[in-house]
Amino acid sequence: GAVVSQHPSRVICKSGTSVKIECRSLDFQATTMFWYRQFPKKSLMLMATSNEGSKATYEQGVEKDKFLINHASLTLSTLTVTSAHPEDSSFYICSARDLVGQNYYEQYFGPGTRLTVT
Amino acid sequence: AQSVTQLDSQVPVFEEAPVELRCNYSSSVSVYLFWYVQYPNQGLQLLLKYLSGSTLVKGINGFEAEFNKSQTSFHLRKPSVHISDTAEYFCAVSEGTGGFKTIFGAGTRLFVKA
Repeated sequence: GAVVSQHPSRVICKSGTSVKIECRSLDFQATTMFWYRQFPKKSLMLMATSNEGSKATYEQGVEKDKFLINHASLTLSTLTVTSAHPEDSSFYICSARDLVGQNYYEQYFGPGTRLTVT
Repeated sequence: AQSVTQLDSQVPVFEEAPVELRCNYSSSVSVYLFWYVQYPNQGLQLLLKYLSGSTLVKGINGFEAEFNKSQTSFHLRKPSVHISDTAEYFCAVSEGTGGFKTIFGAGTRLFVKA
C-alpha cells in the first residue's frame, strides 16, 4: 500500500527559531499534498494544499509567511515553521494524493510530527 | 462548502456491546466519505470509505458504515467492541471535484470499558 513518511517525528525548538518538517510519499507520486494541524484532543485543521511545482493554497486564517510550504517534487513537501513561538506547538500531519492515478480519491496520511516550542 | 458534524464528542460503552458513532455532512456536490481512527500520538488509519455503489460499506476491525443520502449521514457501527477499540474516530468528507480537499469532523472519543 501507499506509504507517507514524516520527519522528524518529534522536534523541540526554542522560541524564535525555524523548524522544517518533511513529508515524503515513498512508493507513489503525490501530485497534491495537504498539511494539517491538530491541537490536543481536537480535530485536524487543514492548513494548506500544495500541488507539485506551484505555490501552496492556504486556508483562511493561516499565515503563509509563518508556515512556508514547498512542494518541489512529486515525492516531497516541506513545511517550515518560521520564528516559532510556544503557540505553534502542535501535532502536524501531512497527507498525499495522486490525483492523476487510479486511486485518485485516496488520501494517505503521514504519522505526524509533534512540535514543541519552548 | 462542505462540513462534517460528529454528534457525539465522547461515547462510553462496555466491552462486547454494540456501538454507533454518528456523522452528518453537508455538501452541494457529490462526496466521498471516510472514517479514520487515531490512537494516541499516532497518525490516522483509514477504517473504511464510501465512494459509490452499495451504501453499506465494511471496513477493517469489524467496523461498517451506512451512507444515507437523504439524511446526509454516514454513521459508523460495530456489533461488538473490544477494549482495543478505545481511540478517537474521525468522519471525513472529500468533494469529488476541484481540489479534493478533505474536511474532518471534530472527532468522537470511543471509550470501551471492561
